[in-house]
Amino acid sequence: NAGVTQTPKFRILKIGQSMTLQCAQDMNHNYMYWYRQDPGMGLKLIYYSVGAGITDKGEVPNGYNVSRSTTEDFPLRLELAAPSQTSVYFCASRKGGAYTEAFFGQGTRLTVV
Amino acid sequence: GENVEQHPSTLSVQEGDSAVIKCTYSDSASNYFPWYKQELGKRPQLIIDIRSNVGEKKDQRIAVTLNKTAKHFSLHITETQPEDSAVYFCAATGAAGNKLTFGGGTRVLVKP
Repeated sequence: NAGVTQTPKFRILKIGQSMTLQCAQDMNHNYMYWYRQDPGMGLKLIYYSVGAGITDKGEVPNGYNVSRSTTEDFPLRLELAAPSQTSVYFCASRKGGAYTEAFFGQGTRLTVV
Repeated sequence: GENVEQHPSTLSVQEGDSAVIKCTYSDSASNYFPWYKQELGKRPQLIIDIRSNVGEKKDQRIAVTLNKTAKHFSLHITETQPEDSAVYFCAATGAAGNKLTFGGGTRVLVKP
């Protein structure tokens, strides 16, 4: 199994550009998450989803959008990129249920210049 | 929503000493508290977790304790080794069990 796969691994964006960070999992997990990790800081929840067609905001949703049309995929859309969105983005998934482990992707390092 | 606070933000210990990291949470209905380790440049990985109906759990050199009344839980690492150097995150899932919120992280440095 590949687990949780994120693409791309690195990306440089210019201010005002848009892009989509891809996340796919092959474990048939119901729950999926997007986090951002600023340098030397913790993991802040952007959006999460408990199943196809269901998404909810986390702590820092402004400037981002998500969709969940399938169980496997949970893309994160950045519109009008700003320098404050420079960060490492992690996607994670859990099987569902209260006591399940989260598995993380390898991360996407995004720089907005 | 759930809020998780973690202390200290950095911790330096001598090899062989113990390390303790403490977290508090806000949602009294939270029922699952995992701990993740993130080595430099890597993704976070689960090292231990505890459910709300358990007060303590051990796995070799690591242990986690939970005080539901005070809404805090702690990670204990004994006989620290250089490979324990990493960033550690606590987390809580909130009442519904689906929203996974992390603390701010603790950077642990084990000095040989």
